[in-house]
Amino acid sequence: DAKTTQPTSMDCAEGRAANLPCNHSTISGNEYVYWYRQIHSQGPQYIIHGLKNNETNEMASLIITEDRKSSTLILPHATLRDTAVYYCIVRVPRNKLVFGAGTILRVKS
Amino acid sequence: NAGVTQTPKFQVLKTGQSMTLQCAQDMNHNSMYWYRQDPGMGLRLIYYSASEGTTDKGEVPNGYNVSRLNKREFSLRLESAAPSQTSVYFCASSEFGGRNQETQYFGPGTRLLVL
Repeated sequence: DAKTTQPTSMDCAEGRAANLPCNHSTISGNEYVYWYRQIHSQGPQYIIHGLKNNETNEMASLIITEDRKSSTLILPHATLRDTAVYYCIVRVPRNKLVFGAGTILRVKS
Repeated sequence: NAGVTQTPKFQVLKTGQSMTLQCAQDMNHNSMYWYRQDPGMGLRLIYYSASEGTTDKGEVPNGYNVSRLNKREFSLRLESAAPSQTSVYFCASSEFGGRNQETQYFGPGTRLLVL
């Protein structure tokens, strides 16, 4: 599975959009981009995934660049409860999930 | 649906003691996983079971054994606990879905301290 690079931490004002970037320049054609988050002391929570098209669900939007070498997770109206570690994972489905260090998102009032 | 449940929530062991961490899921998933997470680090896969009756090693299997008791339950056993096994343990399950995708659902974790 391709390696990902994420910023160590980011801050976001409550009510504003949080845009979390992820670089995956070595991604191959059959690898998906997955996003999970982990709120303090809890188990990781699935957010969204995509292959090449942009995706949206009730939690977030995922924007994947045309060359698929990077992506952005968007939380449209961040709340204090969105403060968490966000993990970008690139993998072929059915391969093991490999969690890196992720991005610590702090939502501030 | 309870999703993925884990017992116990907390445990303190002395070095050399043994214990079993229990995990159950009610989503009729085929695959189940055990991860550990050390302070300030990402999750690391210990063992997984792609389907009932099969188990495979992950990144860090040493010192652990697993049993896939049935489709619902997947247990993790520490035969002789060591301080290096102090960690938070997460169980997860998944089902291969349509659109060639797969989502893992995680339990709340078991916090283990080995003295």
